[in-house]
Amino acid sequence: EAQVTQNPRYLITVTGKKLTVTCSQNMNHEYMSWYRQDPGLGLRQIYYSMNVEATDKGDVPEGYKVSRKEKRNFPLILESPSPNQTSLYFCASSLSAGTGNTEAFFGQGTRLTVV
Amino acid sequence: DQQVKQNSPSLSVQEGRISILNCDYTNSMFDYFLWYKKYPAEGPTFLISISSIKDKNEDGRFTVFLNKSAKHLSLHIVPSQPGDSAVYFCAARPDSGTYKYIFGTGTRLKVLA
Repeated sequence: EAQVTQNPRYLITVTGKKLTVTCSQNMNHEYMSWYRQDPGLGLRQIYYSMNVEATDKGDVPEGYKVSRKEKRNFPLILESPSPNQTSLYFCASSLSAGTGNTEAFFGQGTRLTVV
Repeated sequence: DQQVKQNSPSLSVQEGRISILNCDYTNSMFDYFLWYKKYPAEGPTFLISISSIKDKNEDGRFTVFLNKSAKHLSLHIVPSQPGDSAVYFCAARPDSGTYKYIFGTGTRLKVLA
C-alpha cells in the first residue's frame, strides 16, 4: 500500500529537549516536505527536499532542521523545542513538483505539544 | 500576508445540493492550483488540480474553476454527500521553478443529511 508514515503520532515534550519526527514514504517519490498546521493559519511549509541531499527552506523554517540522506526518509529535527512549536505536523511526498503530476500524499500527522 | 485566502471558515449544505468552496489569491504568477480534503485525525488527501492555462477541470462530482483575471478559484461539488463533510484546503504554486506550495486556511464543509 502506497503511504507516507510519520512517527510518533502524538508527542508531549519539554522545552529544550531535542526531538526527531520521522517520515518515510514507499512510493519512490523525489519530492518531500514538512508542514505545520495551526488554527487560522492553515498549512505552512517548513522545509522541502527535491531529492537526496537537496533541501531548502519553506515559509517557516526557524527552529527546525531536516536531512535527506535516503530517498525514502525525511526526518524533521527540533534541536531545542519551544512552546511556539506546539502544532500539528504533516509530512508529504510527491512524484515531482514540476509540471505534470504534482499531487502530494500526506502522512497522518504528528501532534506535538511542547510544555 | 496571506497570499492564498479562503474567506469562509465554514459552510453548511443540504445533501444533494451543490457545495461551492472559494479561494482567492494575490499573486498572478501562481501557475498551478490544487484542492485537498482533510478528515479529522487524518492527513490531507489530494482532490483535484488545475493548471493556470485552463479555466476548468472536472473529475466526477468535483469541478474546479479558475478565473485568472479575478484571481479566484472555486471548487464545486455536485451533488453533495454526507461523506464530503471535511475541511477543504486550496493550495497554489508560485511558479513552475519553485517547490514551494502555499495553502489557504481551509473551509469546513458540513453536508446535512
